[in-house]
Amino acid sequence: EAQVTQNPRYLITVTGKKLTVTCSQNMNHEYMSWYRQDPGLGLRQIYYSMNVEVTDKGDVPEGYKVSRKEKRNFPLILESPSPNQTSLYFCASMIWGLKETQYFGPGTRLLVL
Amino acid sequence: DQQVKQNSPSLSVQEGRISILNCDYTNSMFDYFLWYKKYPAEGPTFLISISSIKDKNEDGRFTVFLNKSAKHLSLHIVPSQPGDSAVYFCAASYTKYNNNDMRFGAGTRLTVKP
Repeated sequence: EAQVTQNPRYLITVTGKKLTVTCSQNMNHEYMSWYRQDPGLGLRQIYYSMNVEVTDKGDVPEGYKVSRKEKRNFPLILESPSPNQTSLYFCASMIWGLKETQYFGPGTRLLVL
Repeated sequence: DQQVKQNSPSLSVQEGRISILNCDYTNSMFDYFLWYKKYPAEGPTFLISISSIKDKNEDGRFTVFLNKSAKHLSLHIVPSQPGDSAVYFCAASYTKYNNNDMRFGAGTRLTVKP
């Protein structure tokens, strides 16, 4: 079954405590990305990766880092989380150039106190 | 700056009737549009798309209409079913083939009552 998995699904943390949200896809997609969803704002892209070792900033990259050492994995790193990073996060993957193939993970709900 | 707006946060319709979800955009350079459906505790899933060279695209019970002059698109679901209850997001992009240019609306929660 084609899928994108994220872990953890829910996380409560405190300001400044580094955390990593993992993302993995089993479709051999070159392209992966991270979004955050906030009330009234829709999905906004944080970072994306066009392939292994190729990453770039999206629209709201401040406070986040990513890495792409393997094709299937694309972790999102918050080095020093702050309350304004409280949000619902989605990882996604797709075949380059085919938006209709975009699969999203189930989401990670993060609360930063 | 919200370039894609879904002005109705929620919509409730009776089973069997038509659901019409609306989406407006501000940038006339947008050329390709998509609708996604999202159930609770799941990620969005692709539903239907339309290119600006068309004004209508149909897939089963789902039809998307595009009015470029009004910068408006709508998703029609006929007939609506309880399983259609979900949040629907519209997205706009500058081209069909660039992965990085999608702008999403805030979503409309559709409830279909039996």
